[in-house]
Amino acid sequence: DAGVIQSPRHEVTEMGQEVTLRCKPISGHNSLFWYRQTMMRGLELLIYFNNNVPIDDSGMPEDRFSAKMPNASFSTLKIQPSEPRDSAVYFCASSRRTGGPYGYTFGSGTRLTVV
Amino acid sequence: GQQLNQSPQSMFIQEGEDVSMNCTSSSIFNTWLWYKQEPGEGPVLLIALYKAGELTSNGRLTAQFGITRKDSFLNISASIPSDVGIYFCAVRYQGGSEKLVFGKGTKLTVNP
Repeated sequence: DAGVIQSPRHEVTEMGQEVTLRCKPISGHNSLFWYRQTMMRGLELLIYFNNNVPIDDSGMPEDRFSAKMPNASFSTLKIQPSEPRDSAVYFCASSRRTGGPYGYTFGSGTRLTVV
Repeated sequence: GQQLNQSPQSMFIQEGEDVSMNCTSSSIFNTWLWYKQEPGEGPVLLIALYKAGELTSNGRLTAQFGITRKDSFLNISASIPSDVGIYFCAVRYQGGSEKLVFGKGTKLTVNP
């Protein structure tokens, strides 16, 4: 089990640039979640997918953020244009909707710095 | 939105001491979870609780789901340096949603 894989681990970009974060969930997990972690706000859910379909995107801060899940093994979170206030650690997590202890498996995160 | 009040915010203890932290909510939840996050990594699930009053252990960790379904605590016995990290409580939204809401975390420092 390779776990949830996120790339890149670190991203430094200039304000106004497009940023794309990538996630590969655990094989067989059919739910995928994007979280953002900051000191001020803690862990916030941005969006989650079930069977590749977006179920709840109420946490997406604004239209600059978009997420896709074209297939069961890949998801992206895009920020365009990026702003300094988007600097945070972005986590992807996946889970099995049924069976096993309920809880997510998180990736190691992408630390985004927008200058 | 839903808010969890987690306390204390931080703890500084000596190796070998026992640790207790808790999490409260103004709303009732049916699933409580405890996660640990180490520097540079994502949170890792420690214990999941599904029934009011449930007491569950995982090695030196013990967690309980409060009978009111509005709180939970996590105890760590005989702490060791590798217990260092941030501990988060989390609850599952009602109504079949898979959303989890996380507390702000308790940062634990263990002095050898």
